[in-house]
Amino acid sequence: QLVLTQSPSASASLGASVKLTCTLSSAHSNNAIAWHQQQPEKGPRFLMKVNNDGSHTKGDGIPDRFSGSSSGAERYLTISSLQSEDEADYYCQTWGTGIRVFGGGTKVTVL
Amino acid sequence: QVQLVQSGAEVKKPGASVKVSCKASGYTFTTYGFSWVRQAPGQGLEWLGWVNTDNGDTTYIQKIQGRVTMTTDTSTSTAYMELRSLRSDDTAVYYCARDWNILTGLDLFDPWGQGTLVTVSS
Repeated sequence: QLVLTQSPSASASLGASVKLTCTLSSAHSNNAIAWHQQQPEKGPRFLMKVNNDGSHTKGDGIPDRFSGSSSGAERYLTISSLQSEDEADYYCQTWGTGIRVFGGGTKVTVL
Repeated sequence: QVQLVQSGAEVKKPGASVKVSCKASGYTFTTYGFSWVRQAPGQGLEWLGWVNTDNGDTTYIQKIQGRVTMTTDTSTSTAYMELRSLRSDDTAVYYCARDWNILTGLDLFDPWGQGTLVTVSS
């Protein structure tokens, strides 16, 4: 079964960095994933697609301080130089045979 | 630029039906499939299914199978999601998103529509 696992919360200080993790179920460890950001009271926005080799493709207008990487079944989103507007929920999502799956989301708090 | 614009909020009684639209612009409509996603109040994102804009093929999650129909109108570049026999736990914001490239098979989930709040209440 295709499953994505995310920690429920993360926090870091203004100007610092935070690294979010999305773990794929073991049978799907080669899947690409997408990261989506959902700011409070807004709809989701596509940030980037991260491939199993760590390469990533960002959406239009996504700042350089957002980056993606990969290791085994884990896919990462790193936000550098945290800004107040980065306080949001971050969801990973992947594509299976005929299905799409979302992780439970990680709430990022900027201290 | 690529944009998806959804229809406005709806209030429905239990047992009724709702049809949400998602109008696409800025690209060739039939080259990408669409996914529909919902978010209940205070909850995460739940993928509901997808529709192939080229041949009309669909896939739905089992949870709403039999109550949902996803369609497209290529003449107006609009995708639709109809949900029938509404229940209170269908109350959610419903989103459309441009999904995979039908020609290349490249997976994508960008952009998203702005969302449509569907409230089911007696």
